[in-house]
Amino acid sequence: DIQMTQTPSSLSASVGDRVTITCRASQSISSYLNWYQQKPGKAPKVLIYAASTLQTGVPSRFSGSGSGTDFTLTINSLQPEDFATYYCQQSYNTPLTFGPGTKVDIK
Amino acid sequence: EVQLVESGGGLVQPGGSLKLSCAASGFTFSGSAIHWVRQASGKGLEWVGHIRTKANNYATAYAASVKGRFTISRDDSKNTAYLQMNSLKIEDTAMYYCTRHPGSGGPNWGQGTLVTVSS
Repeated sequence: DIQMTQTPSSLSASVGDRVTITCRASQSISSYLNWYQQKPGKAPKVLIYAASTLQTGVPSRFSGSGSGTDFTLTINSLQPEDFATYYCQQSYNTPLTFGPGTKVDIK
Repeated sequence: EVQLVESGGGLVQPGGSLKLSCAASGFTFSGSAIHWVRQASGKGLEWVGHIRTKANNYATAYAASVKGRFTISRDDSKNTAYLQMNSLKIEDTAMYYCTRHPGSGGPNWGQGTLVTVSS
């Protein structure tokens, strides 16, 4: 199985900050990497798919980059509604595997 | 608009059974593999298993934690996938999601259905 790691596991930030979350796969997954935002009691929401493609309707302050084993999610100018947990997930093969999550809270 | 709607969750005793459904619309269901993913309260996301298409002989695969107890099936005439859960354990308590990962375009997820295993 492909193992996914994320750093950091949590971070505190202020509105307007730029936030970067890193995801690493245990083997190359090309660009088969998705990013999700999840708020308490809600289903995961797709932000980015194929490593860098912004899902329709997602604000342009979210961006993704990377390929192979190393990926990054960047949130430019953090907004109050962005405080949530973020997960990366590989869809290169099954089993689908997820990073452990990064919780972004208010400083 | 693509929609996946899970149903069938509820409270069940340890050792009991439950069957979840995932009703799909807005895409060619018969051409899409369907995955089930679960999330225990306060925990991360765990892949449960998947079922592929008729062209791939409806092949299934499962996580080790559920293999032999859970069965995934589908009825393409009803645009619905199922997760049959037997011999349920307390640790199966979770929100269960069905999800689709198309070859082009982003993944689609349902809103989830809650399964609680408790005596």
